[in-house]
Amino acid sequence: DARVTQTPRHKVTEMGQEVTMRCQPILGHNTVFWYRQTMMQGLELLAYFRNRAPLDDSGMPKDRFSAEMPDATLATLKIQPSEPRDSAVYFCASGLLQNTEAFFGQGTRLTVV
Amino acid sequence: AQSVSQHNHHVILSEAASLELGCNYSYGGTVNLFWYVQYPGQHLQLLLKYFSGDPLVKGIKGFEAEFIKSKFSFNLRKPSVQWSDTAEYFCAVNVNFGNEKLTFGTGTRLTIIP
Repeated sequence: DARVTQTPRHKVTEMGQEVTMRCQPILGHNTVFWYRQTMMQGLELLAYFRNRAPLDDSGMPKDRFSAEMPDATLATLKIQPSEPRDSAVYFCASGLLQNTEAFFGQGTRLTVV
Repeated sequence: AQSVSQHNHHVILSEAASLELGCNYSYGGTVNLFWYVQYPGQHLQLLLKYFSGDPLVKGIKGFEAEFIKSKFSFNLRKPSVQWSDTAEYFCAVNVNFGNEKLTFGTGTRLTIIP
């Protein structure tokens, strides 16, 4: 059963620490999305990649957030330094270019204290 | 840029009641439309999608949605809800060509009372 895998599922960290979230997209999918979900803002697109190249990261605070795809099986989202306002659930999703349905991972619940 | 509005923030229904959740989008071109469901503590799962063809689409768990292009709407319906339908429902849109990123509405929380 193909699925998007995210690690860790939960992360509690202190303000100022670096946080790295990982995502393994479904094999063969060439589009990867990072979304952030909060009560106040709902689901916000942070960044997305096609064929490992970043296409749109306009929703991502550039000063502290970075997103990369070191290879086709791994996407990473880093926050450095983390702040309490970054507390949220971060979802990764993957899809195929021709079929634009996105499949979501279980999410990483981040708490910055 | 496209946007999505879900005007019902929280809907409370009794079991067996009929459901309709509103979704309106703004974009002048061709779009793909989606409804996702998020059960408590879980990830988003696709309920149904519209790409083209019959504007009445049927999804999983007895849900359906109708695309009305003239109204820029894609409302979600279910004739008889169950307690297990308690969840948050998100409408989403992406542009048919080019930038295919999904834009989500703010979601509608559905609570079904047994």
